[in-house]
Amino acid sequence: QITLKESGPTLVKPTQTLTLTCTFSGFSFSTSGVGVGWIRQPPGKALEWLALTYWDDDKRYSPSLKSRLTITKDTSKNQVVLKMTNMDPVDTATYYCAHVIGGRPFEYWGQGTLVTVSS
Amino acid sequence: QTVVTQEPSLTVSPGGTVTLTCASSTGAVTAAYYPNWFQQKPGQAPRALIYSTSNKHSWTPARFSGSLLGGKAALTLSGVQPEDEAEYYCLIYYGGALVFGTGTKVTVL
Repeated sequence: QITLKESGPTLVKPTQTLTLTCTFSGFSFSTSGVGVGWIRQPPGKALEWLALTYWDDDKRYSPSLKSRLTITKDTSKNQVVLKMTNMDPVDTATYYCAHVIGGRPFEYWGQGTLVTVSS
Repeated sequence: QTVVTQEPSLTVSPGGTVTLTCASSTGAVTAAYYPNWFQQKPGQAPRALIYSTSNKHSWTPARFSGSLLGGKAALTLSGVQPEDEAEYYCLIYYGGALVFGTGTKVTVL
């Protein structure tokens, strides 16, 4: 059974760096084709893909946010960490992590975590 | 910046059929873009429905089908049920980058 869960601060101040952790079970980065991605959704708005990391340490970022994002994985802890710098109120959103395998992106999702950016 | 556009809203009667489309600002959507479809109900995380144009996940009801239609990716709901009322998002793969569509709100009325 594949599960994912996001954790991190619920409130950050403008200009701060957001650090979110995705802790997962039921799969491993030792499996070829496996990846974990981050997606966000501002209140009442559409989904937006942010970043992906794969089993072979290949990393992909949304072109529009690439300069602010860093995604890393800790294979021993079954965790993926997303850092987003210079947070702004427009970054207020629910942040999701999701499982990727081969040609099936985001087959399984975490419950999401709401991050509010406010002073 | 690539934009993926969907119908903002569609209404369908119970038992009816509705087709949602997904268009790319870069041109025609083909199988090489591996279009995916997701369903999201209020307060819930999205749920994967279709991958690589027309492949269903093990939990995807048979009434959902994916295809390519006139240069767009398409999701057809046949024999719509009240529980199909939700927001639907497509996802397009652009050679390493992924872009979600703008979303379609489907109302069953």
